[in-house]
Amino acid sequence: NAGVTQTPKFQVLKTGQSMTLQCAQDMNHNSMYWYRQDPGMGLRLIYYSASEGTTDKGEVPNGYNVSRLNKREFSLRLESAAPSQTSVYFCATYRDPSGTEAFFGQGTRLTVV
Amino acid sequence: KQEVTQIPAALSVPEGENLVLNCSFTDSAIYNLQWFRQDPGKGLTSLLLIQSSQREQTSGRLNASLDKSSGRSTLYIAASQPGDSATYLCAVRPTGANSKLTFGKGITLSVRP
Repeated sequence: NAGVTQTPKFQVLKTGQSMTLQCAQDMNHNSMYWYRQDPGMGLRLIYYSASEGTTDKGEVPNGYNVSRLNKREFSLRLESAAPSQTSVYFCATYRDPSGTEAFFGQGTRLTVV
Repeated sequence: KQEVTQIPAALSVPEGENLVLNCSFTDSAIYNLQWFRQDPGKGLTSLLLIQSSQREQTSGRLNASLDKSSGRSTLYIAASQPGDSATYLCAVRPTGANSKLTFGKGITLSVRP
């Protein structure tokens, strides 16, 4: 029962380094989302993809890029990591139309030093 | 802009108590409302999904209600157990194409043995 799989689970980066967070879903859902979760701030949307081949900015997109590689995979890239990007990152998915349940991955805990 | 509020931020109760967690939202134009559970260091697990046309949903000891006109939802937990200790988040999905979940900041529940 894979559902939504995120890799890696943990990562430590130095300021200025780059990395890509991977997300894959086996639920045949159209929509995929990247959130970050910070203490006191709750979950905030970074980017989303309503369908294969489309991506759009969310609430906090600065410093990030995304790629919807195919229907299954949606990656989040940090080109030049900053300490402010230390956070827990979650990938989520749900099928459209919009009445369906959202499912989340287990998260990637990223520390930028 | 949709805003979701969960008060209080933390709650501590003795084992066996029945309890209610509250969630309020500002815009009643929603497709659905979803309750999640998050254990420390883990991802979000979906508990209950209530469609906008529904009044409540039940799963085991959990019952979630929705009053769309007043912008409120409650999660009722019967006979609480220490294993129920976690953070509970509610999220609403507004109507409209490509709408995204808007989250509350969560209520951290501690059930004392």
